[in-house]
Amino acid sequence: AQKVTQAQTEISVVEKEDVTLDCVYETRDTTYYLFWYKQPPSGELVFLIRRNSFDEQNEISGRYSWNFQKSTSSFNFTITASQVVDSAVYFCALSDSGMDTGRRALTFGSGTRLQVQP
Amino acid sequence: KAGVTQTPRYLIKTRGQQVTLSCSPISGHRSVSWYQQTPGQGLQFLFEYFSETQRNKGNFPGRFSGRQFSNSRSEMNVSTLELGDSALYLCASSPEQAARSGEQYFGPGTRLTVT
Repeated sequence: AQKVTQAQTEISVVEKEDVTLDCVYETRDTTYYLFWYKQPPSGELVFLIRRNSFDEQNEISGRYSWNFQKSTSSFNFTITASQVVDSAVYFCALSDSGMDTGRRALTFGSGTRLQVQP
Repeated sequence: KAGVTQTPRYLIKTRGQQVTLSCSPISGHRSVSWYQQTPGQGLQFLFEYFSETQRNKGNFPGRFSGRQFSNSRSEMNVSTLELGDSALYLCASSPEQAARSGEQYFGPGTRLTVT
């Protein structure tokens, strides 16, 4: 069965520090997709990135970067020069064909609460 | 494009009652999924609808049901409410071209409190 583990429950940093959020996943599929979502206090999950299992190239988008390593089943997320507005809960999610119907649903990790202090 | 909208945003019900939550997907998205978020269980998949048909279902009791209308709007219903049903219920929509990846766009959620 698929599983996503975010071992860091809460992280607190001071503004301008770099911070890495860890994500480890389990799946039997060879084709799968990984996601990161941000949940600010308002509650809405905001899509940040999607990665498929065949693309291990790391990605950078502004202050955000993602490190995908199939060898360790990890998909870590780094925020460079953190800002107070980055404070939120961040979720890593996995989509594979684990469902009997072959339809995909998201399996979420438990989330990491990031607090950025001014 | 307008995002996913959910109504109502907040709801208080008592045990034993039933409740209906509504979701309007992003225009053009025909797939709608529902998730339950609680502090104890985290985010859990409830079900997915596409073209008025349930395509996928999570591991929830039959008290949880849903439907989708021809305009892709969806409702979910919880009957005989229990205290443990208190949660944030999130709706997500997805364009068909994203169906293979599972990429979804979420609404702000409905916070249900059962007393």
